[in-house]
Amino acid sequence: GQQLNQSPQSMFIQEGEDVSMNCTSSSIFNTWLWYKQDPGEGPVLLIALYKAGELTSNGRLTAQFGITRKDSFLNISASIPSDVGIYFCAGLRAAGNKLTFGGGTRVLVKP
Amino acid sequence: EAGVTQSPTHLIKTRGQQATLRCSPISGHTSVYWYQQALGLGLQFLLWYDEGEERNRGNFPPRFSGRQFPNYSSELNVNALELEDSALYLCASSSGTAANTDTQYFGPGTRLTVL
Repeated sequence: GQQLNQSPQSMFIQEGEDVSMNCTSSSIFNTWLWYKQDPGEGPVLLIALYKAGELTSNGRLTAQFGITRKDSFLNISASIPSDVGIYFCAGLRAAGNKLTFGGGTRVLVKP
Repeated sequence: EAGVTQSPTHLIKTRGQQATLRCSPISGHTSVYWYQQALGLGLQFLLWYDEGEERNRGNFPPRFSGRQFPNYSSELNVNALELEDSALYLCASSSGTAANTDTQYFGPGTRLTVL
């Protein structure tokens, strides 16, 4: 079952705002990945993190691999309407190679 | 470069039937993974194939099986379908299993509906 706690579960954004989400675990992971999934499609890789403490950017996205290897966060700066979707964190251990996913953060546009 | 491809896009079956889902990995990738994304349950790991062998299996019954072909494409078979098997089935591939090569890239998924 699911072992990553991802928060918040959902959030509303207004264009131009910065948003932040994070994942925590009771277990250590060797790799942290962040994906975005649009309705009816597969998850698209946003950022991959391979070393504890690593801070990586991809355009307006920034993610960090926690120093304890048990957490990660994703920031989106200056959000735009196409940032709407579900964001998943995923952790990977060396053994077994299976991704363990967080429950997702649903990003919605403020009405 | 083509990404991970899956077929069919949608599949409708009735209880007790068998379903076969197909996946072609990114060119050069040797590992293929299958995940189930059911409503309200998130993404759950099903199977991992590497170099034609099953390497790991998630907590799913033996009705879920698969194989990997010499060209690294893969099939997922679900026998004796049950209503709760209705889900989006996602395939992912990676170029290896060592650090920095184990990043998994997903296909668009096959939506399986069991009536």
